[in-house]
Amino acid sequence: DGGITQSPKYLFRKEGQNVTLSCEQNLNHDAMYWYRQDPGQGLRLIYYSQIVNDFQKGDIAEGYSVSREKKESFPLTVTSAQKNPTAFYLCASSIRDRDDEQYFGPGTRLTVT
Amino acid sequence: GDSVTQMEGPVTLSEEAFLTINCTYTATGYPSLFWYVQYPGEGLQLLLKATKADDKGSNKGFEATYRKETTSFHLEKGSVQVSDSAVYFCALTDSGGYQKVTFGTGTKLQVIP
Repeated sequence: DGGITQSPKYLFRKEGQNVTLSCEQNLNHDAMYWYRQDPGQGLRLIYYSQIVNDFQKGDIAEGYSVSREKKESFPLTVTSAQKNPTAFYLCASSIRDRDDEQYFGPGTRLTVT
Repeated sequence: GDSVTQMEGPVTLSEEAFLTINCTYTATGYPSLFWYVQYPGEGLQLLLKATKADDKGSNKGFEATYRKETTSFHLEKGSVQVSDSAVYFCALTDSGGYQKVTFGTGTKLQVIP
């Protein structure tokens, strides 16, 4: 079955540590996205990538970094510079067509203490 | 920039009641419009979409009509079930050359037996 996998589902880290969230898709989609979801704020775009080896900042990129070395993979690193990292992180992908929907992974809940 | 405004929740309904969740948007050009649904602890999944004015999207008994004159895309269902309890997000894609999605803040629906 095609889809998007995110691992792990729950992640716990100490303040000051960098942490990398995994996102893999086997849908052969060109575009991939990372969102952050906080209660009452909907989804906010962190980074997106339309093609391998290229990515752009979204609305809240500060304190985050990404890479896109393979079409299937788009890992997100939450660095120690991110002031409020505790959140639910969602990865998505789509074909490069404005009328098509985004397909979401199940999400990773990151808790930093 | 583009924006999506949804009615605040939670919306609490009895089973078999009529549902309306309001959504209005601001966008340049001619966006595509979407409703996504998120069940507890999961990622988002597409519920329905409409790509041009007067189009009606429908799925699983839910409907929404793209109203350009009122810049609205209200979600409706004639008879809700307990299994419809979830958070519903209205969203749009911009009319540029790539697919960047703008999400509303989400409306939580609770259906009680």
